[in-house]
Amino acid sequence: EAQVTQNPRYLITVTGKKLTVTCSQNMNHEYMSWYRQDPGLGLRQIYYSMNVEVTDKGDVPEGYKVSRKEKRNFPLILESPSPNQTSLYFCASSLWAGNGYTFGSGTRLTVV
Amino acid sequence: GENVEQHPSTLSVQEGDSAVIKCTYSDSASNYFPWYKQELGKGPQLIIDIRSNVGEKKDQRIAVTLNKTAKHFSLHITETQPEDSAVYFCAASITSYDKVIFGPGTSLSVIP
Repeated sequence: EAQVTQNPRYLITVTGKKLTVTCSQNMNHEYMSWYRQDPGLGLRQIYYSMNVEVTDKGDVPEGYKVSRKEKRNFPLILESPSPNQTSLYFCASSLWAGNGYTFGSGTRLTVV
Repeated sequence: GENVEQHPSTLSVQEGDSAVIKCTYSDSASNYFPWYKQELGKGPQLIIDIRSNVGEKKDQRIAVTLNKTAKHFSLHITETQPEDSAVYFCAASITSYDKVIFGPGTSLSVIP
């Protein structure tokens, strides 16, 4: 089944403790992206990747890192999480940037 | 850059009635317009899309119309059912290599 898999689905962590949210797609997509979704603010892009080893900042990149060492994986790294990063996170992938996106099921992160 | 506006932000309809969600975009070069449905607790899912060489596209009870001159496009849902209740996002992109820009979303409630 074609899908984007995010893990974990739920995560509660403490301020400053490094964490990684994994994202993997099995569709051989070139483009991958991370979004955060907060009430009333819609989907805001954090980082995106056009291809392996090619990443770029989205609209809200502060406090996040990504890497794209393999085509299928695009992890989101929070080196020192803060409470304002409490949010619902989605990974998405697509054949190209301007094509239909397949989203993962989401990761609900709480930073206390 | 591209900007996408979406109205209304919330919409309530009686079961069986039609629902219309409207979006406007700023860049006249945009040529790809997808719509996503996000059910509670899930990631957004692509439900229909249209390219600028087409004025209208239908898929069962949903349809999308595009007015390039006015730079707006709309989602039409006929014979609404309770399972249509969700948040709907419109989006636009200029080329296959430009990322998709999302509207802020419309929360649709279908009242049985």
